[in-house]
Amino acid sequence: AQKVTQAQTEISVVEKEDVTLDCVYETRDTTYYLFWYKQPPSGELVFLIRRNSFDEQNEISGRYSWNFQKSTSSFNFTITASQVVDSAVYFCALPQRGQNFVFGPGTRLSVLP
Amino acid sequence: DGGITQSPKYLFRKEGQNVTLSCEQNLNHDAMYWYRQDPGQGLRLIYYSQIVNDFQKGDIAEGYSVSREKKESFPLTVTSAQKNPTAFYLCASSGTPTNEKLFFGSGTQLSVL
Repeated sequence: AQKVTQAQTEISVVEKEDVTLDCVYETRDTTYYLFWYKQPPSGELVFLIRRNSFDEQNEISGRYSWNFQKSTSSFNFTITASQVVDSAVYFCALPQRGQNFVFGPGTRLSVLP
Repeated sequence: DGGITQSPKYLFRKEGQNVTLSCEQNLNHDAMYWYRQDPGQGLRLIYYSQIVNDFQKGDIAEGYSVSREKKESFPLTVTSAQKNPTAFYLCASSGTPTNEKLFFGSGTQLSVL
């Protein structure tokens, strides 16, 4: 069965620090996608990124970067120069057959001014 | 603007009462989902629907019911059989094929009086 683990329950950093959120997944599929979502205090989950298991290149988007390593089944997310607006719960997710998504338990990030 | 609308934002249920949560989308998406979120936990799937007049049970369907009479609408009823209904409920939709990102509503917080 598919499984997503986010071992960090809560992280606190001071503004401008870099922070990495870990995601480890389990799947028997040979091809798959991985997602990251952000849930700000308003409650609505916002899509951040989708990666295909074929593409292990790291991706950078502004202050955000993602490190996908198939060998260790990890898909980690780094925020560079964190800001207060980055405070949210971040979820890693893995789709399974039937369009259902398996979500990790989430990591609550608090960025202090 | 296209999106998903959930209502109400807050809902209170009395003992033995059924309550219905509304979810409407104007994204022309075929698939719609209901997730339950408890504090400190990831999202758990209650029900999902891939086409009108068809829906499937998710991991925690007991005590809940849904209907999908229109493509735009996917209401969730929390029945009196659900003994622990207090949670944050999120509705989502996605296009096909599988592995498309989910679009989320802003959620409904259900509490028991």
